[in-house]
Amino acid sequence: NAGVTQTPKFQVLKTGQSMTLQCAQDMNHNSMYWYRQDPGMGLRLIYYSASEGTTDKGEVPNGYNVSRLNKREFSLRLESAAPSQTSVYFCASSERQGHFRGTQYFGPGTRLTVL
Amino acid sequence: AQTVTQSQPEMSVQEAETVTLSCTYDTSESDYYLFWYKQPPSRQMILVIRQEAYKQQNATENRFSVNFQKAAKSFSLKISDSQLGDAAMYFCAYRGPLTNFGNEKLTFGTGTRLTIIP
Repeated sequence: NAGVTQTPKFQVLKTGQSMTLQCAQDMNHNSMYWYRQDPGMGLRLIYYSASEGTTDKGEVPNGYNVSRLNKREFSLRLESAAPSQTSVYFCASSERQGHFRGTQYFGPGTRLTVL
Repeated sequence: AQTVTQSQPEMSVQEAETVTLSCTYDTSESDYYLFWYKQPPSRQMILVIRQEAYKQQNATENRFSVNFQKAAKSFSLKISDSQLGDAAMYFCAYRGPLTNFGNEKLTFGTGTRLTIIP
C-alpha cells in the first residue's frame, strides 16, 4: 500500500497563476484533509472532507477551493496564487472506525513557492 | 478553542540516553485523542504514538512511551535508548471526539526540534 500520495512534490508559481494539488489514498478512509505548514508553526487545516460528497472549511480556507473527486481523491486548488500562500501543503486521511480510529495519516507534502 | 503548547523549542540528548518532550493542551472535552508526530528533514509527518483519553493506561510503542496526565492536561513523550534516526521535529497534536462531525481537525503545537549527540 502506498498510503497517501501527493503530486507534485515541488512547484513554483507566479502571483496570479492557478494550480491544483492532487492527493490520493489507498486505505479506504472516509475522511480526507488539506493542511498547510508555515515556518515555525504546526500544521493548520485548510479544508476537509468527512465523507465522499462533502467538504467543509477549516481554519484558513481563504484563497483555496477543494474537490472530493471520489472516495480516494481530494484535490486542492489555488485560483489566483499569492505570495502569502508560499508554504508546505500536506494531505491526510483518517477513519472513524477500527483500532486506529481518529488517527490521521499524512502524505509526503508539496513545497509551493509563489513569487 | 483547543490549544496545544510545546514549551521546549529545542532539546538535545546523548545517543542511547533517555529524553522527555513536554506537551500541554487545553480542552473542555472529556473524550479526545492525542498524538505525537515526528517530522524528519524529509518533511514527512510520521505517526509516533497515539493516546485515547478514556484509556488510563499510557500508550507505548517500542522505545516510545507517553505520560498522559488527564487532570493536568499533560501529554509528554519519552524516548528511551535514543538513536541518531530519532533526530527530527516532534509535534504534539490534539483531536476532539469522533462523535462531533464538526470537529475534524488536528490542533498542533509548534514543535520541539530534537538533536541526538553521537
